[in-house]
Amino acid sequence: GAGVSQSPSNKVTEKGKDVELRCDPISGHTALYWYRQSLGQGLEFLIYFQGNSAPDKSGLPSDRFSAERTGGSVSTLTIQRTQQEDSAVYLCASSLSPMDEQYFGPGTRLTVT
Amino acid sequence: QQPVQSPQAVILREGEDAVINCSSSKALYSVHWYRQKHGEAPVFLMILLKGGEQKGHDKISASFNEKKQQSSLYLTASQLSYSGTYFCGTPGTYKYIFGTGTRLKVLA
Repeated sequence: GAGVSQSPSNKVTEKGKDVELRCDPISGHTALYWYRQSLGQGLEFLIYFQGNSAPDKSGLPSDRFSAERTGGSVSTLTIQRTQQEDSAVYLCASSLSPMDEQYFGPGTRLTVT
Repeated sequence: QQPVQSPQAVILREGEDAVINCSSSKALYSVHWYRQKHGEAPVFLMILLKGGEQKGHDKISASFNEKKQQSSLYLTASQLSYSGTYFCGTPGTYKYIFGTGTRLKVLA
């Protein structure tokens, strides 16, 4: 594919359940980012992967959030024991390097009921 | 730590000009600008680097004042398609920070 893809596009889950969000970056992009955007709000940085380096997890909102990037490509963002305040659009982006423009995926809209 | 943008919101008529400002309390080494239309993902507009190098959009220009830690985006002869929320952003150490955002609406 030519762009960043994310799945699922929409996810409705019950409070307390775990969810896994997936991001496929553009081939060859070494940098991968996860953001959260609540309705009508700005872009909240969550985590960033650069190549095979271990990420800085300090941007994750709580220890219920975790992320990994396998083989320097696909990334998954996992939210355990979801809460209603986790409802938001989760955006993934990739870039050639941290200094280059980011290309965003369409996002995953998460609704916790 | 998050760059502050001004104005928060602006309404224009087609053909009018607008300036969006981005101000940081920390040193900026590069500034990126993105536009996000309602219900869509952000789209890259422009990168400004220290030393004046720019890379980006044909119909939009921008400036970067490293000493003042500020950047401005200039939209001239605005079109309906310019409507959306504009974000500045800057890479940090192991992170990326977007500004507070500016909502722009262009009316016919």
